[in-house]
Amino acid sequence: SYELTQPPSLSVSPGQTARITCSGDALPKQYAYWYQQKPGQAPVLMIQKDSERPSGISERFSGSSSGTTVTLTISGVQAEDEADYYCQSADHTGDSVVFGGGTKLTVL
Amino acid sequence: EVQLVESGGGLVKPGGSLRLSCATSGFTFDTAWLSWIRQAPGKGLEWVGRINDKTEGEITDYAAPVRGRFTISRDDSKNTLYLQMNNLKTEDTALYYCTTGSHWGRGTRVTVSS
Repeated sequence: SYELTQPPSLSVSPGQTARITCSGDALPKQYAYWYQQKPGQAPVLMIQKDSERPSGISERFSGSSSGTTVTLTISGVQAEDEADYYCQSADHTGDSVVFGGGTKLTVL
Repeated sequence: EVQLVESGGGLVKPGGSLRLSCATSGFTFDTAWLSWIRQAPGKGLEWVGRINDKTEGEITDYAAPVRGRFTISRDDSKNTLYLQMNNLKTEDTALYYCTTGSHWGRGTRVTVSS
């Protein structure tokens, strides 16, 4: 079955830039979406269609795509950004949706 | 304001059934593609399945672990999404969310245990 691969964890200091990657063979063909989830809360859509920021999402969050890898970039990381981040996309057929395993972002 | 409110979760024995509902408001339900996502305790997000809208034939797709046991349906007259879960297994224990992608409910908890 199709898989998306994310690093399990990432630690950054406040004010630095965090880059979370997500790799998958179908990413050149299928859009990627990024979700932020804080403990005890439902996920929040942060980036759609690889690089579009939904209304209300901070400009510090951006998305990019290159080949089989998509990247969520968080500029000027703040304590409030500490959360789990998940990428989501579809397989080559588009019939099956997949989430990456999630990346736990720790703000030191 | 967009709202999605899941209900119907609970404790059920292996082999049992449950029907989850997701009542919605604040958006055009009948043209929305809707999904169920679940999250086992301490684990990541897992796609369960989705249903597209009437103009697309209300076609459903399911993740392999639930295919043949779970059925997604919708009632556009009630702005409500459903998840019928049969032959439940212990590994189906999770918080179940309904979502449009951009909007999520708070989830309903399903526990499968003897």
